[in-house]
Amino acid sequence: AQRVTQPEKLLSVFKGAPVELKCNYSYSGSPELFWYVQYSRQRLQLLLRHISRESIKGFTADLNKGETSFHLKKPFAQEEDSAMYYCALHPAGDYASGGSYIPTFGRGTSLIVHP
Amino acid sequence: DGGITQSPKYLFRKEGQNVTLSCEQNLNHDAMYWYRQDPGQGLRLIYYSQIVNDFQKGDIAEGYSVSREKKESFPLTVTSAQKNPTAFYLCASSKGLAESTDTQYFGPGTRLTVL
Repeated sequence: AQRVTQPEKLLSVFKGAPVELKCNYSYSGSPELFWYVQYSRQRLQLLLRHISRESIKGFTADLNKGETSFHLKKPFAQEEDSAMYYCALHPAGDYASGGSYIPTFGRGTSLIVHP
Repeated sequence: DGGITQSPKYLFRKEGQNVTLSCEQNLNHDAMYWYRQDPGQGLRLIYYSQIVNDFQKGDIAEGYSVSREKKESFPLTVTSAQKNPTAFYLCASSKGLAESTDTQYFGPGTRLTVL
């Protein structure tokens, strides 16, 4: 079974400080990892996915298969980064052999950036 | 702000009543999903549908029912059998089984309160 763990419910930092939102996963196959973000009064939306290897709004995330992690990082946090962040695992290709293709979400981390 | 819409935004229900939440998408996506979002519990999958006239139970399907008569529509009925229905409900869509690792697009959500 696949599992996504976000150990921090709440992360509070000051503007300009580095931020790292942790995500660990458990999956026997080859996963696709995503970060979704939900700003206040906005819908949940994709922030970035590991396969794209891009930086979005200054955020980056590297898939570490050895440590089964996909931590989200930003060197200098901004107040507008305050939001709820969800890590998600999309199983890749298992559906062909009868496995699940349904994504699994972590419980989310609330990031608060203080001025 | 089209793409995927949900209605109503807020819904109040008396105990013992069934209620139906609407979800519509114009993205031509094959797959649609219903999630329940509770504080501290992340997103939990209720039902999903890969294609018209087909749907599968998710992790917490008890007390819920769905239909998928049209590609664009995936309504969720919260029945009186659901013990704790007060929650925020999110509908999502993605391209479909052939693109199993594709991004999910979310609706704005419906907040259901049982009085």
